[in-house]
Amino acid sequence: GAGVSQSPRYKVAKRGQDVALRCDPISGHVSLFWYQQALGQGPEFLTYFQNEAQLDKSGLPSDRFFAERPEGSVSTLKIQRTQQEDSAVYLCASSLSDTEAFFGQGTRLTVV
Amino acid sequence: AQKITQTQPGMFVQEKEAVTLDCTYDTSDQSYGLFWYKQPSSGEMIFLIYQGSYDEQNATEGRYSLNFQKARKSANLVISASQLGDSAMYFCAMRDRAAGNKLTFGGGTRVLVKP
Repeated sequence: GAGVSQSPRYKVAKRGQDVALRCDPISGHVSLFWYQQALGQGPEFLTYFQNEAQLDKSGLPSDRFFAERPEGSVSTLKIQRTQQEDSAVYLCASSLSDTEAFFGQGTRLTVV
Repeated sequence: AQKITQTQPGMFVQEKEAVTLDCTYDTSDQSYGLFWYKQPSSGEMIFLIYQGSYDEQNATEGRYSLNFQKARKSANLVISASQLGDSAMYFCAMRDRAAGNKLTFGGGTRVLVKP
C-alpha cells in the first residue's frame, strides 16, 4: 500500500477486555515499530520487529502486552485484560533504512 | 540514556513568518540520526526531515530546514514562510545505535499559526 495502515482507528474497550490492534506496514519494509502515545506527550517505544523477528520488546509495559509479526509483514499488538492506564494512541511505524520511519494514523484506545 | 529535550511547549507565529523550534539531545554515540515529525490534530505522525550525525550539510526539505549544531547537541527545525496548515504539534526524535533501532522522542512543541 501507499502508506502504513492501522486498524481500527478508534477502539473503546471495557476494562478487563482483550483488544487486538493491527498494523499493515509499507510493502517491503523490513523494520516495524510500535509506540504508545499518551495525551499531550511524545510517543514512547514499545517493541521492534525486523522481518518476523521481535528484536526488542523492552518498552512493553507489562506482560499483558504482546506483539507478533508472524510472516514479516502485518503486525498485531494485543493487550489482555485492558486497564484504564492503557488508554492512549498506539502508533505503528515501518522503515527500510535507518534514515526514515513512516507512521500510520494510529489507533486511539479508550478503556472505560 | 538517550534524551531529547524540546523546551518550548507552545508557540504562536504570524502567517508568512519563519519560526524556529528548539531541540537538544543527549547521546554518547558518534553515529546517530535526528528526525522531525509533524502531528496535526488528525493524529498522524508526518515525517518532515532527517539529519545524520555525519552529514556535513544541514538538511533541507522545501520550507523545512534543520539547523544542526553538533558540538552543542542541538537540531533546531526552521519553518520558513509559515502557513495556516503548519499549525500542529512538532516532535524531535533521535535514533542511535546504543538504543537499537528505535526512535526516542521529545515532548513536542505546539505551533499555532495566526492569520
